[in-house]
Amino acid sequence: GQNIDQPTEMTATEGAIVQINCTYQTSGFNGLFWYQQHAGEAPTFLSYNVLDGLEEKGRFSSFLSRSKGYSYLLLKELQMKDSASYLCAANYKYIFGTGTRLKVLA
Amino acid sequence: DTAVSQTPKYLVTQMGNDKSIKCEQNLGHDTMYWYKQDSKKFLKIMFSYNNKELIINETVPNRFSPKSPDKAHLNLHINSLELGDSAVYFCASSQDRLSGTGELFFGEGSRLTVL
Repeated sequence: GQNIDQPTEMTATEGAIVQINCTYQTSGFNGLFWYQQHAGEAPTFLSYNVLDGLEEKGRFSSFLSRSKGYSYLLLKELQMKDSASYLCAANYKYIFGTGTRLKVLA
Repeated sequence: DTAVSQTPKYLVTQMGNDKSIKCEQNLGHDTMYWYKQDSKKFLKIMFSYNNKELIINETVPNRFSPKSPDKAHLNLHINSLELGDSAVYFCASSQDRLSGTGELFFGEGSRLTVL
C-alpha cells in the first residue's frame, strides 16, 4: 500500500527555523518531492531528493533517509510569506502526503 | 504564456449533470495528470497519461473519464455529478514518466461546485 504522513498544522514565529516531517511507505520509490501551496493557488515545486542526505537551496533545505522512509523540509529565517501548505510527494505514482499547513506569526 | 492552462476556472452545476474540464500544456511534456483536492486540502491523484496512453488510474469512479487527444491535452469528463465531486481539480504535467525525476507543473485549478 501507499501511505505518506505529515503533521496537519504547524505554527512558528517570523525569523525562526521550522522543520516539517514526512514519513512514507510506498510500493516503489524513485525520490521524494516537496511542494509549496499558498491558499487558493496551485502547488509549486520546492525540492527533490533521490539520494540520502541534505539538499540545500537558499532558505529551504530538504533531507531524505530512504532506509527510514523519512524526509523533512527545513525552512530558515521564516518570513510571513512562507505561510502556506507544504506537501511531500513520492515519485512513485506521484502520490502526495496530506500536507502541512504552516502559519508564520509576526 | 501560461505553461499549463485549465478551463473553466470555476464551474457551478446541479447534481446529475455532466461536465468537462479541459487542460492544455505548452511545455512539450510527455506526461499529464489530473488531481482532485478536496475541502481538507488533500491532493489525490486520479489519472495520468503518457503520450496519450493511460498509465495511472487510481480507483476513480467510472463516472470520471479522461481523454487525451494528443500529448499536449488531457481533458476530464464527469457524468452524473454528485455532491461529493465538489472540489478543486488540478491538471499537471511533467517531462518524465513515473520513474523519472521531472517536477510537476500545475495548472491554476478548476473549482467545481455541485449543488
